[in-house]
Amino acid sequence: DIQMTQSPSSLSASVGDRVTITCQASQDIGNYLNWYQQKPGKAPKVLIYDASNLERGVPSRFSGSGSGTDFTFTINSLQPEDIATYFCQQYDNLVFTFGPGTKVDIK
Amino acid sequence: QVHLVQSGAEVKKPGASVKVSCKASGYTFTTYGLSWVRQAPGQGLEWMGWISPYNSNTKYAQKFQGRVTMTTDTSTSTAYMELRSLTSDDTAVYYCARVGGYDAYFDYWGQGTLVTVSS
Repeated sequence: DIQMTQSPSSLSASVGDRVTITCQASQDIGNYLNWYQQKPGKAPKVLIYDASNLERGVPSRFSGSGSGTDFTFTINSLQPEDIATYFCQQYDNLVFTFGPGTKVDIK
Repeated sequence: QVHLVQSGAEVKKPGASVKVSCKASGYTFTTYGLSWVRQAPGQGLEWMGWISPYNSNTKYAQKFQGRVTMTTDTSTSTAYMELRSLTSDDTAVYYCARVGGYDAYFDYWGQGTLVTVSS
């Protein structure tokens, strides 16, 4: 099975900062990589699909890039409402795997 | 609009089974797959399996093979996930999620069902 790693596991940043999270797959997954935001007590919400496509209705300060095994998720200009845990997720022939998550809070 | 509404919280004893339901509305039930994802307290997300409401094909995560059964009832647009031989490690919030984007990502989620396993 494909394993996913994420870094960092947590970070603190100031409002307006640029935040970057990385996700690495244990083997080449092309662009089959999605990013989710989860706030406490809520279900996850997809932000980015297929590595770099912004889901409809998601603010443009969120972006994703990468292919193969290495992927990056960026929040340009962190906002207070972005406090959450972010997960990457790969898919391969109807098998899905999540990364361990990155908790983002405000410094 | 798309909604996935799950059944309520459950408390089970070790060794028992639990069956969680997920009622879909706002789209044609048979045109999207559904997955179940769980989250233990304070932990990450764990994919359990996928089902096609169109033909009832399933794909289960290796970890749950033999212990989980996913089914759907197209007459009521409801999906079910049954997990057997429960242990305390199965205490978690269980989510159903619609699989959009050509079976690629989870675009809509249920509200979650807390299953507590305790003697």
